[in-house]
Amino acid sequence: DSGVTQTPKHLITATGQRVTLRCSPRSGDLSVYWYQQSLDQGLQFLIQYYNGEERAKGNILERFSAQQFPDLHSELNLSSLELGDSALYFCASSIGLAGSTDTQYFGPGTRLTVL
Amino acid sequence: GQQVMQIPQYQHVQEGEDFTTYCNSSTTLSNIQWYKQRPGGHPVFLIQLVKSGEVKKQKRLTFQFGEAKKNSSLHITATQTTDVGTYFCAGPTRVDSSYKLIFGSGTRLLVRP
Repeated sequence: DSGVTQTPKHLITATGQRVTLRCSPRSGDLSVYWYQQSLDQGLQFLIQYYNGEERAKGNILERFSAQQFPDLHSELNLSSLELGDSALYFCASSIGLAGSTDTQYFGPGTRLTVL
Repeated sequence: GQQVMQIPQYQHVQEGEDFTTYCNSSTTLSNIQWYKQRPGGHPVFLIQLVKSGEVKKQKRLTFQFGEAKKNSSLHITATQTTDVGTYFCAGPTRVDSSYKLIFGSGTRLLVRP
């Protein structure tokens, strides 16, 4: 158990819909990262937040957005869903102070299926 | 942009055989991290290498960081069925005011009992 929690575990929805994925980081971690993992794309970095502020952006679509709240939990919002958005979405957390040597701890993931 | 490549994509071994996965970066890395993802699970941090030529061992696992800090390897001696999973290397790259990890495509290890 990494200490990172994600809900829900599974999500099945239809094209065009909007969903929200939730992540709670490990106690004491200030950084939250979101990743998308699909069979043909591997682990793709989406976005990072540090202590409530956006810090780094990866290959995140404009239809996707995220935020980190004062209690440090984070939400990833996916809208206008397409079939290709079906994937595993992982949240990871780190202390956020060590820069490039920060170790990331991954949550169990949310499996999103878009029908 | 920076790329991290991993080979092989798959490796199927008999229990007791050795296994090696190789990781190559298109740019020099400040450090390299290794993660393991069991089937149906999430990536779990294994180790981080920082120094040029560094070698670290964890029981049957040996990790190496190349002298030029552009490549790395993970070697498992006498594989066991518990070693099954996908092994990812990851290197940090600067983006905006922070860093992101670029993950290799992973090597999936299957072990025949």
